[in-house]
Amino acid sequence: NAGVTQTPKFQVLKTGQSMTLQCAQDMNHEYMSWYRQDPGMGLRLIHYSVGAGITDQGEVPNGYNVSRSTTEDFPLRLLSAAPSQTSVYFCAILDRGKGYTFGSGTRLTVV
Amino acid sequence: AQSVAQPEDQVNVAEGNPLTVKCTYSVSGNPYLFWYVQYPNRGLQFLLKYITGDNLVKGSYGFEAEFNKSQTSFHLKKPSALVSDSALYFCAVRITTSGTYKYIFGTGTRLKVLA
Repeated sequence: NAGVTQTPKFQVLKTGQSMTLQCAQDMNHEYMSWYRQDPGMGLRLIHYSVGAGITDQGEVPNGYNVSRSTTEDFPLRLLSAAPSQTSVYFCAILDRGKGYTFGSGTRLTVV
Repeated sequence: AQSVAQPEDQVNVAEGNPLTVKCTYSVSGNPYLFWYVQYPNRGLQFLLKYITGDNLVKGSYGFEAEFNKSQTSFHLKKPSALVSDSALYFCAVRITTSGTYKYIFGTGTRLKVLA
């Protein structure tokens, strides 16, 4: 998954805590997105960005915030973690010809 | 509603046998079609895509996919399965809506290749 770096790889949060999932890319792509992956539900789009300063909501945005101050970084913030947010989170960049390149994921558990 | 279906949660195949992982879609227009593979504790990796042209598309690791417009299917195939092909496979379509791209992913099919 060269080109898209996600940190941390694993995280355990208590209900109500906040945290930021980091995503950085070195491929200079304008389009970045955050997905969550849950068993039996495939990938669901949380938020996406088409360039620095521009973000928009995806399919399941509630409980998450994003910002895009630079082309390279696209952090995802959980404002007040809930057990329903236990999931694996993937950041991805989009090459319109090839499709997505995904990071290696962050496995989040909210207890 | 526009959707992608992967009707099998898991496919088991013996090593050396041909494999097929099924995908059907229900979208308007002429979508781009993709297959991705996910190995344990990794993100999804691009395998192949269909945009237009020849209905048989070849991709990475010896995989290929057959586009069938009348059946709205895009099944993933490989002539001879390897144990190392065991992974989670996702079908996806790209559609254009209101001038923007939208990707719809299937729920994934776990492929298990038995030695």
